[in-house]
Amino acid sequence: KAGVTQTPRYLIKTRGQQVTLSCSPISGHRSVSWYQQTPGQGLQFLFEYFSETQRNKGNFPGRFSGRQFSNSRSEMNVSTLELGDSALYLCASRRTGENTEAFFGQGTRLTVV
Amino acid sequence: GENVEQHPSTLSVQEGDSAVIKCTYSDSASNYFPWYKQELGKRPQLIIDIRSNVGEKKDQRIAVTLNKTAKHFSLHITETQPEDSAVYFCAASIGGYQKVTFGIGTKLQVIP
Repeated sequence: KAGVTQTPRYLIKTRGQQVTLSCSPISGHRSVSWYQQTPGQGLQFLFEYFSETQRNKGNFPGRFSGRQFSNSRSEMNVSTLELGDSALYLCASRRTGENTEAFFGQGTRLTVV
Repeated sequence: GENVEQHPSTLSVQEGDSAVIKCTYSDSASNYFPWYKQELGKRPQLIIDIRSNVGEKKDQRIAVTLNKTAKHFSLHITETQPEDSAVYFCAASIGGYQKVTFGIGTKLQVIP
């Protein structure tokens, strides 16, 4: 069974630009969550999607948005990039059910210059 | 919202010694507490989890304890080995909801 796949692995963008990251969950998993990982802040929850609906949202500005498609693939968009958005962005997928294990992708390393 | 505090931020132990990482949470409704291990340059992976109806869970050299009254839980690694060196994250979530709040992480170094 293929794992969680994130593309691209690395991105370099300029301040003010926008970026779209993609996450393909494990087959059969309908829940996809996104996290921002930085050295000083650890893993911070961005949002979670289930069956194309956003179920939960973390404390990030509106520049961070996401969506999920009918095949459970998810995209995350960051508009008007700031230097502080440089981070590793991880997505995780879960199978349906309560307290199920989160399987993480390798992440997308975003650098804003 | 939920807040998870994790201590220590770094931990160095000699090979063969035990390591203990502690976490506290704020939301008494949280009932699921997973622990993730992230090796350098790799993705976080679940190593053990515990639900609020259980006080302790063991898996070989790894154990987790939960004190619901005090709202804290701990990870215990015995007979540490160099391959245990990694960053460990604790987390808390409310069952049925997938908003998992992570601690800031503990960088464990096992010295051969």
